[in-house]
Amino acid sequence: DAGVIQSPRHEVTEMGQEVTLRCKPISGHNSLFWYRQTMMRGLELLIYFNNNVPIDDSGMPEDRFSAKMPNASFSTLKIQPSEPRDSAVYFCASSPVVPGIGELFFGEGSRLTVL
Amino acid sequence: GESVGLHLPTLSVQEGDNSIINCAYSNSASDYFIWYKQESGKGPQFIIDIRSNMDKRQGQRVTVLLNKTVKHLSLQIAATQPGDSAVYFCAENPRRSDQFYFGTGTSLTVIP
Repeated sequence: DAGVIQSPRHEVTEMGQEVTLRCKPISGHNSLFWYRQTMMRGLELLIYFNNNVPIDDSGMPEDRFSAKMPNASFSTLKIQPSEPRDSAVYFCASSPVVPGIGELFFGEGSRLTVL
Repeated sequence: GESVGLHLPTLSVQEGDNSIINCAYSNSASDYFIWYKQESGKGPQFIIDIRSNMDKRQGQRVTVLLNKTVKHLSLQIAATQPGDSAVYFCAENPRRSDQFYFGTGTSLTVIP
């Protein structure tokens, strides 16, 4: 049974470059979350979708960040242009139920380093 | 002011001993809580959950206690094993909220 699949697992890029992180949620899950984890701030919710619709993007740091969910099996988080302070591990998680009621199933994360 | 990183509480226990990890939550309206385990290089993994109408819930080798009066959660791990070494997070979900809010985590090291 495949869990949440994220790619790439590691990305090293230079400041100013565009970064795209990808996520495939567990089939049948209708809620998808993007989190960022840093030593400074811990786990922070960036945005979440329910039935492919963005519900709350108040955690997105600034306009350089954008997220899409074109269908139930795919989501992207894009950073353009990237900055060194964006270096973090980005997690995608999905849930089979209404947000906030059941557990979240996390992917392995995408470790981003911006030089 | 100068920014500082999160100070991650640490706990070291001998293999076979019981572990207790504590978490203070902030929102008195929170009515659902989850403990997650995060191993190095991996995503958080569900361990056990509890709703606010309960004080205690047991799983396999784990027990979660909830004290709503002082807004405190604890995770007890019985007969701790080296594979239990990880960072443990509590997450709270306020009533009528769509979101989980994660604590800073506690790093557990099991000494063989």
